[in-house]
Amino acid sequence: KAGVTQTPRYLIKTRGQQVTLSCSPISGHRSVSWYQQTPGQGLQFLFEYFSETQRNKGNFPGRFSGRQFSNSRSEMNVSTLELGDSALYLCASSLGRVGETQYFGPGTRLLVL
Amino acid sequence: DQQVKQNSPSLSVQEGRISILNCDYTNSMFDYFLWYKKYPAEGPTFLISISSIKDKNEDGRFTVFLNKSAKHLSLHIVPSQPGDSAVYFCAASAPQGGADGLTFGKGTHLIIQP
Repeated sequence: KAGVTQTPRYLIKTRGQQVTLSCSPISGHRSVSWYQQTPGQGLQFLFEYFSETQRNKGNFPGRFSGRQFSNSRSEMNVSTLELGDSALYLCASSLGRVGETQYFGPGTRLLVL
Repeated sequence: DQQVKQNSPSLSVQEGRISILNCDYTNSMFDYFLWYKKYPAEGPTFLISISSIKDKNEDGRFTVFLNKSAKHLSLHIVPSQPGDSAVYFCAASAPQGGADGLTFGKGTHLIIQP
């Protein structure tokens, strides 16, 4: 099976812009979770989508949003970018049952100037 | 407040010896624990997991031990190999009703010395 894929792999934006990141889960996986990794905060949970619905949400401002399509592909959007949004954004997929292992994609490296 | 802590930012081990990576947690609702390995510029790779109903799970060179009373888990790698050099993250999750995604520790950088 193909793994989790994320596009683009690298992105440079300026403050105030918005960005959309894409994630394609492993075939058959219905849950997609998004994480932000920064050197200071480590890996932090953003939100999880399951069957096109946001099922869980971490402690991030409303500028961070997402959605999931009927084929389980997911997008994450960040509006009004700030310098502190520079990070590695990781997407993980799983079957969606409680206690399921999540499998991660390679991430999108976002740099905000 | 960190709910999952990896108190050793780095660990250096000689090739062929045992590597022991430690992780402590504070949330008693966590019932599923995972270890991930991460190379620079790549996403975390799942290594091994353990449910709270067990105290040990083994997969090849990797064994995870869980001590629920101490809220502590550890990952043992035996024997350590050069390719094991990476950052290791401990992660935990709670049952769906209190789910908040995976909660990660800040990682331990394991360096295997020849």
